[in-house]
Amino acid sequence: GQNIDQPTEMTATEGAIVQINCTYQTSGFNGLFWYQQHAGEAPTFLSYNVLDGLEEKGRFSSFLSRSKGYSYLLLKELQMKDSASYLCAVPGGFQKLVFGTGTRLLVSP
Amino acid sequence: ETGVTQSPTHLIKTRGQQVTLRCSSQSGHNTVSWYQQALGQGPQFIFQYYREEENGRGNFPPRFSGLQFPNYSSELNVNALELDDSALYLCASRPPGQGWETQYFGPGTRLLVL
Repeated sequence: GQNIDQPTEMTATEGAIVQINCTYQTSGFNGLFWYQQHAGEAPTFLSYNVLDGLEEKGRFSSFLSRSKGYSYLLLKELQMKDSASYLCAVPGGFQKLVFGTGTRLLVSP
Repeated sequence: ETGVTQSPTHLIKTRGQQVTLRCSSQSGHNTVSWYQQALGQGPQFIFQYYREEENGRGNFPPRFSGLQFPNYSSELNVNALELDDSALYLCASRPPGQGWETQYFGPGTRLLVL
């Protein structure tokens, strides 16, 4: 089966950097996903890591360590619009994604 | 804009009633999945349909059922509604043979069971 842990809530200040951690346990690794979800809206795809290391995409970067079962999402130059939930997910077979509970990020001025 | 639409956006039902939620996928997306997201939780997989057949199911009872139609639309039906069924219901679709990164979620239907 799959098990995912991420912090429930984080706060940060506009312009700062924040790192959202995710640890996972899965039988058979097929990549790790990060999604952003604003309140009441659909999750939107941010990143997909299948190999170890850091992948940068603009202000957002995602890191993966398969040996440690660990990933993080790094958000730089935080903006108010980055206030959202960030979901870590791994495939649970070919039919489904298994999501963590999500980390609610609040960005304050 | 993901090209995936859902209706209705909000719905209020009472315990014991039945509900049908609808999803319209992008043309050619013959794989559709449904997820339930309770408040403060991540989405939980209900089931997946591929070419109009259910081909995977999560830990949900049989009163959760679905249909997929040739025009890439699909339905989620829930019978004998319970209070705990109150949640955001998301559908997601992706094109054939493509990976998870090509999966798009619809905006969801928020169901409240009283």
